[in-house]
Amino acid sequence: GNSVTQMEGPVTLSEEAFLTINCTYTATGYPSLFWYVQYPGEGLQLLLKATKADDKGSNKGFEATYRKETTSFHLEKGSVQVSDSAVYFCALSPNSGAGSYQLTFGKGTKLSVIP
Amino acid sequence: NAGVTQTPKFQVLKTGQSMTLQCAQDMNHNSMYWYRQDPGMGLRLIYYSASEGTTDKGEVPNGYNVSRLNKREFSLRLESAAPSQTSVYFCASSEGGSPNEKLFFGSGTQLSVL
Repeated sequence: GNSVTQMEGPVTLSEEAFLTINCTYTATGYPSLFWYVQYPGEGLQLLLKATKADDKGSNKGFEATYRKETTSFHLEKGSVQVSDSAVYFCALSPNSGAGSYQLTFGKGTKLSVIP
Repeated sequence: NAGVTQTPKFQVLKTGQSMTLQCAQDMNHNSMYWYRQDPGMGLRLIYYSASEGTTDKGEVPNGYNVSRLNKREFSLRLESAAPSQTSVYFCASSEGGSPNEKLFFGSGTQLSVL
């Protein structure tokens, strides 16, 4: 079956530090890949996505590149802010077959940014 | 913009009690979903409705039932609550029709079963 593995958290960084959150996946075919973010007390929001190999998703200074050869979709940001403190979820959606519209989520990585 | 609205926000139940979690979306979306979120487990799909009039089981459907009341509303029912159902429940919706589409989430219902 499909699965998503994220690095364990929590991650604590100082403001303006570089962020990487690792995500690898297992899936047949060519899934679409997503990063969702959950701010305290809120539901999840789509941060960025990529739908085919070598695509780069980007939003709000965050980037992730769909690497088919390493089955990875690592999230990066060059300079984090306190307002980036949240839980980040990597997810995949199979592009065909049964359950095509069902997201499989990783366990989430909590990021805390301190001033 | 309301988006996806869930009620209630918090609920405490005793083992064996029943309750219904309500969800409504105002974006004219075709697809709706119920997820549960547990510490260290990420989000797991309970049930989904690809379109009005259809519902299907997700990864963890046992102990739950759903009703797609109309295009806007998708409810989740616990017939006999158990402590293992203590969790945060999220409703979500999407336009429907594409595996690449964005999900819109409600703000969640925190449920405790004692």
